[in-house]
Amino acid sequence: EVQLVESGGGLVKPGGSLRLSCAASGFTFSSYSMNWVRQAPGKGLEWVSSISSSSSYIYYADSVKGRFTISRDNAKNSLYLQMNSLRAEDTAVYYCAMTTVPYNWYFDLWGRGTLVTVSS
Amino acid sequence: QSALTQPRSVSGSPGQSVTISCTGTSSDVGGYNYVSWYQQHPGKAPKLMIYDVSKRPSGVPDRFSGSKSGNTASLTISGLQAEDEADYYCCSYAGSYTFLYVFGTGTKVTVL
Repeated sequence: EVQLVESGGGLVKPGGSLRLSCAASGFTFSSYSMNWVRQAPGKGLEWVSSISSSSSYIYYADSVKGRFTISRDNAKNSLYLQMNSLRAEDTAVYYCAMTTVPYNWYFDLWGRGTLVTVSS
Repeated sequence: QSALTQPRSVSGSPGQSVTISCTGTSSDVGGYNYVSWYQQHPGKAPKLMIYDVSKRPSGVPDRFSGSKSGNTASLTISGLQAEDEADYYCCSYAGSYTFLYVFGTGTKVTVL
């Protein structure tokens, strides 16, 4: 079964760090670009970051640039998001998402999300 | 750069049609034919309903259709059903290193 499973969320104090993981299965992970999308409680979706299949191209939203780092390990079929200098406004469910058709610009496979809460 | 603009809510009776608008700029919606729409039920992950403005993924009912004119995209749900009650988000490719994708503000569809 093709699926994405996020982990690593939790409660962290402002200024703290957290590393999210996304485990992929059921497909050739190394062939696809991957993305992180977040959703603050009761709010809309926000694109956070994207990484190409070979990590050659990396993109960040202005709201996280300089604080978050996206990476992947194709040997482990895993995507990561290292989050530093966390702020209250980073509180959200973080989804791992992708398109299962390369070189397309939409998200047709999503994980169930992992909740990150930044609070003192 | 900011989120695409959607109406906060729309409603309709079963069997009726509703249309959700999604307004952006020439840098996103108007600049690319890469608008997608997502349905999200409470506590669930988003589900792709429309991609590339008007294409439907396999398994999505043909009651759902998409279109675009200029900087505004639209999602129409025809023959509204109870299970269509959900939040809907548009999304556009924007092509910038710090703004690769932009989502809409979201629309709550209520089936009366």
